[in-house]
Amino acid sequence: AQSVTQPDIHITVSEGASLELRCNYSYGATPYLFWYVQSPGQGLQLLLKYFSGDTLVQGIKGFEAEFKRSQSSFNLRKPSVHWSDAAEYFCAVGAGNAGNMLTFGGGTRLMVKP
Amino acid sequence: NAGVTQTPKFRVLKTGQSMTLLCAQDMNHEYMYWYRQDPGMGLRLIHYSVGEGTTAKGEVPDGYNVSRLKKQNFLLGLESAAPSQTSVYFCASSQSGGGPGVDQYFGPGTRLLVL
Repeated sequence: AQSVTQPDIHITVSEGASLELRCNYSYGATPYLFWYVQSPGQGLQLLLKYFSGDTLVQGIKGFEAEFKRSQSSFNLRKPSVHWSDAAEYFCAVGAGNAGNMLTFGGGTRLMVKP
Repeated sequence: NAGVTQTPKFRVLKTGQSMTLLCAQDMNHEYMYWYRQDPGMGLRLIHYSVGEGTTAKGEVPDGYNVSRLKKQNFLLGLESAAPSQTSVYFCASSQSGGGPGVDQYFGPGTRLLVL
């Protein structure tokens, strides 16, 4: 069975600083990987996804993520954080099984200092 | 186009009471899902449906039942609520086909408190 670990429960960065959120997955085959963002009181919004091709994927809101098979990682990055990026971020892996089910990590809460 | 909507937004129940959460989507999606979100545990799949009239268990199905009588609706029922079911519940939907990279679209959530 697949699993996802987000090692950092909370991260605080200053506005304008760079950001990297870590995600490690466990899955036997090529995974399908996703990053979602959840603003306070809201549902989840897809930031980006990887399922084949270029290992560096671009998403919305200036985010990118890099798939590294050798490290079983799919870390999310942003070069310059804005106060509006404060939210909770979830990494997820899909097995490509019937129903397209996802397994989510525990989430990382990002706080942005002015 | 409202996307995925959930009713109610918030509910307080007493232990042993029953209730039904309603999820509706207007995107003609085949697949629908119910998740619960608990602090530090991310989202865990309760039940899902790959089409009208079909349902299947997810990771944490105990204490919940579901029905998909119409393609656009997916109901989650709690027959006898317990404090352990205090959580935020999210519904999602996605297309079938298109491979495993298809997006899941999420509703705004239902916050449930069981006393």
